[in-house]
Amino acid sequence: GAVVSQHPSRVICKSGTSVKIECRSLDFQATTMFWYRQFPKKSLMLMATSNEGSKATYEQGVEKDKFLINHASLTLSTLTVTSAHPEDSSFYICSARFPTVNYEQYFGPGTRLTVT
Amino acid sequence: AQSVTQLGSHVSVSEGALVLLRCNYSSSVPPYLFWYVQYPNQGLQLLLKYTSAATLVKGINGFEAEFKKSETSFHLTKPSAHMSDAAEYFCAVSGFQKLVFGTGTRLLVSP
Repeated sequence: GAVVSQHPSRVICKSGTSVKIECRSLDFQATTMFWYRQFPKKSLMLMATSNEGSKATYEQGVEKDKFLINHASLTLSTLTVTSAHPEDSSFYICSARFPTVNYEQYFGPGTRLTVT
Repeated sequence: AQSVTQLGSHVSVSEGALVLLRCNYSSSVPPYLFWYVQYPNQGLQLLLKYTSAATLVKGINGFEAEFKKSETSFHLTKPSAHMSDAAEYFCAVSGFQKLVFGTGTRLLVSP
C-alpha cells in the first residue's frame, strides 16, 4: 500500500512554455502533499506544501507565480511550471502524507524536466 | 528548528563488508528520524524510521539504525554490503510536519 505516482516521468519542453506535473496517491487519501526539487547530486529542497482545498504554502525563495500548485482532490496535486526556462530544468519529486500518521510521507518516482 | 548532518558525501565499501552511514540530528523536540534510499532517476524509498519506540530499528534489505539520544545520532548499518546497495542514502528528520533532509551519502560497492 501507500503508493504515489507521478506523471509524466520525463518531459522536455521549449523555453517559454508551461508544463504540468501530476502527483497522485493511488491507495490512500492525502490531505497534504509536498513538492520537492532536486538538483544533480544534491539533496531534496522542499518547494511547497500542498493542502487539499486551500492555497499551497511556499517555502522562502520559491516563486509562487512560477510554480503553480493545485490540490483539487484528496488524491491529486499538480505542479505547473509556467514560462519555463532552462534553469528550471530539474528533477521534481512529490510526496503525500499518510492521513493517520502525520510524520510519514510516501514519495513519487519523480519527474525529470528538461527545458530547451 | 530541525536539521540533520550526514558525514561523508561518499562511502566506498567492498561487497560483503560492513556498511556504516552516519547521521547526526538536531531537534528542539523529540525527533522522528528516517533513512531513505534513492536509485538513479527514481524517487525515494523508505528504508526505516524511528518514532520513539525501540531505539534499534530494523528496516528493509537488511538495514538497521540505532537511535542514540546522548550522541544525537541515527547511523545506518548493514552487516554485509551487496552490489545492489549502491545508491544515494538520505537521512531525514520530521519537524513541524515537514521532512528536513541531509545532504545525502552516495554508497559505492566494489566487487
